[in-house]
Amino acid sequence: DTAVSQTPKYLVTQMGNDKSIKCEQNLGHDTMYWYKQDSKKFLKIMFSYNNKELIINETVPNRFSPKSPDKAHLNLHINSLELGDSAVYFCASSHGGNEQFFGPGTRLTVL
Amino acid sequence: GENVEQHPSTLSVQEGDSAVIKCTYSDSASNYFPWYKQELGKRPQLIIDIRSNVGEKKDQRIAVTLNKTAKHFSLHITETQPEDSAVYFCAAVLSNFGNEKLTFGTGTRLTIIP
Repeated sequence: DTAVSQTPKYLVTQMGNDKSIKCEQNLGHDTMYWYKQDSKKFLKIMFSYNNKELIINETVPNRFSPKSPDKAHLNLHINSLELGDSAVYFCASSHGGNEQFFGPGTRLTVL
Repeated sequence: GENVEQHPSTLSVQEGDSAVIKCTYSDSASNYFPWYKQELGKRPQLIIDIRSNVGEKKDQRIAVTLNKTAKHFSLHITETQPEDSAVYFCAAVLSNFGNEKLTFGTGTRLTIIP
């Protein structure tokens, strides 16, 4: 009965590769988000989608492309990975301006 | 855009004592202020929140106060226990249904000393 799930939990890859992280929520929420948490634990929003529409797009490189096939899913594709992309990526969801529920995180390591 | 400052960055208190974490925000339009707790290797989880029409909210050992005029809000944990050890994040949100952008503070690592 996991509320917000992400796959994979760990991702280790070489610079220059392309990778995807998947997120699914079964809470019936209409808004989903991607956050990046760097090595200093800073949490920063990257994107948000409401009913499959992009709402927030922070100053994130074009190499990052979110995709929302439906309200329950928000995936993140990253092209040409760089060392600085190493971080923990959290997906989250919310409904109606209330609490955001976070997924377990995906630890991305770029070598 | 919104900017949230959080202090202190680290805090150690004896078990049973109180802990206070303070945050300030810059955008007077922000209207929702959640606090998240993140244990080591885990996801952030909401522990308490407050909306701009309320000055104080309490839930057992945890309380949050909000001063809209000064644009600051604080988390108070009383009778601290070892399981309170974690990183705590404040956030400020301009809540516009379907467009909630959380701007997080930089986090406070709280350590409870047994």
